[in-house]
Amino acid sequence: DAKTTQPTSMDCAEGRAANLPCNHSTISGNEYVYWYRQIHSQGPQYIIHGLKNNETNEMASLIITEDRKSSTLILPHATLRDTAVYYCIVNGGSNYKLTFGKGTLLTVNP
Amino acid sequence: DTGVSQDPRHKITKRGQNVTFRCDPISEHNRLYWYRQTLGQGPEFLTYFQNEAQLEKSRLLSDRFSAERPKGSFSTLEIQRTEQGDSAMYLCASSLVSGGAKDEQYFGPGTRLTVT
Repeated sequence: DAKTTQPTSMDCAEGRAANLPCNHSTISGNEYVYWYRQIHSQGPQYIIHGLKNNETNEMASLIITEDRKSSTLILPHATLRDTAVYYCIVNGGSNYKLTFGKGTLLTVNP
Repeated sequence: DTGVSQDPRHKITKRGQNVTFRCDPISEHNRLYWYRQTLGQGPEFLTYFQNEAQLEKSRLLSDRFSAERPKGSFSTLEIQRTEQGDSAMYLCASSLVSGGAKDEQYFGPGTRLTVT
């Protein structure tokens, strides 16, 4: 699976949009981009995934560049409860196992 | 609550003892995964099952570790002769694999193991 690069930490003001970047320059054609988050002391939570088109669900939007070498997770109106570690994962293997990096610690401030 | 439950939530044991953890996945999910997470790191894949068949094991899973999923429902992870390095959060996840679309994994709350 392709390696991903994320900033170690980011801050966001409550009510503002949080934009979390991820680089995955070695992604191959059949690999998906997944985002999970982990709130302190809980198991990871699935957020969204995409292949090449932008995706949106009730939690977030995923913007994937045309060359698929990077993506951005957007939380449109961040709340204090969105404070968590956000993991960007590229996965294309047939066994679907997830390879987590260290992720980005997003802190939403009041 | 994702619908995946794990028991116990916390376990303290002495070095050399055996421990067993249980995971109950979402009932219709056919895949079940075990991950391990140490402090400050992301979860690391240990093993996974498709129904009752164990299809892949990580090199992290030494021969002191064994996992089962009888009848393709709940799963157990046993660690024999625990070592202090086994102290970690053990996470279980499940997913429904159908067709070509990728499926998301739903994680349980984890079992935190402390080996003294």
